[in-house]
Amino acid sequence: DTAVSQTPKYLVTQMGNDKSIKCEQNLGHDTMYWYKQDSKKFLKIMFSYNNKELIINETVPNRFSPKSPDKAHLNLHINSLELGDSAVYFCASSQGRQGLSPLHFGNGTRLTVT
Amino acid sequence: GNSVTQMEGPVTLSEEAFLTINCTYTATGYPSLFWYVQYPGEGLQLLLKATKADDKGSNKGFEATYRKETTSFHLEKGSVQVSDSAVYFCALRNRISNFGNEKLTFGTGTRLTIIP
Repeated sequence: DTAVSQTPKYLVTQMGNDKSIKCEQNLGHDTMYWYKQDSKKFLKIMFSYNNKELIINETVPNRFSPKSPDKAHLNLHINSLELGDSAVYFCASSQGRQGLSPLHFGNGTRLTVT
Repeated sequence: GNSVTQMEGPVTLSEEAFLTINCTYTATGYPSLFWYVQYPGEGLQLLLKATKADDKGSNKGFEATYRKETTSFHLEKGSVQVSDSAVYFCALRNRISNFGNEKLTFGTGTRLTIIP
């Protein structure tokens, strides 16, 4: 199936640990994103890459580091996890940088930090 | 800056009722407007979009018209079904070409529950 897929679906870990979330899209899009959705469903962009180049980097702690090995993948690594990092993280992709094409979202990774 | 304001939820309606979810925006340039829907346990899916003033987006019985004069993009459906229960997000995205304006700005989401 053509889609944006992210793994794992659920991630439960303790404070201070380091974890990664992976995202892959087979839609042929050239732009990928990470969004964070808090418990009140508020969605906030974290990062965006276009053809492996970082183009949006919102105010996010340095503990969060995106990596794009190619334009079909955008992984998110989080160091020294904190309780406030608990949220659902969504990967998304789109074609082009001009704000015209809609985003395609993955099903999310629910991160719980204990 | 860009912002999207949606009516606060939750909204609970009976099946076959008329639905309106209000959305207004502030933006520079010429934004495109979107409604996304999030079903339980899933990611957001594009529901409909409009790219210029007076455009009407429609899909699955939902409609929204891009009103530049009132900076609004209200979502409507004439007769809702139980399967429409979800969280609905209004969003805008600018078409300015320089970097840093490509992001989608979301509203806070409106949870809709339809009861049989």
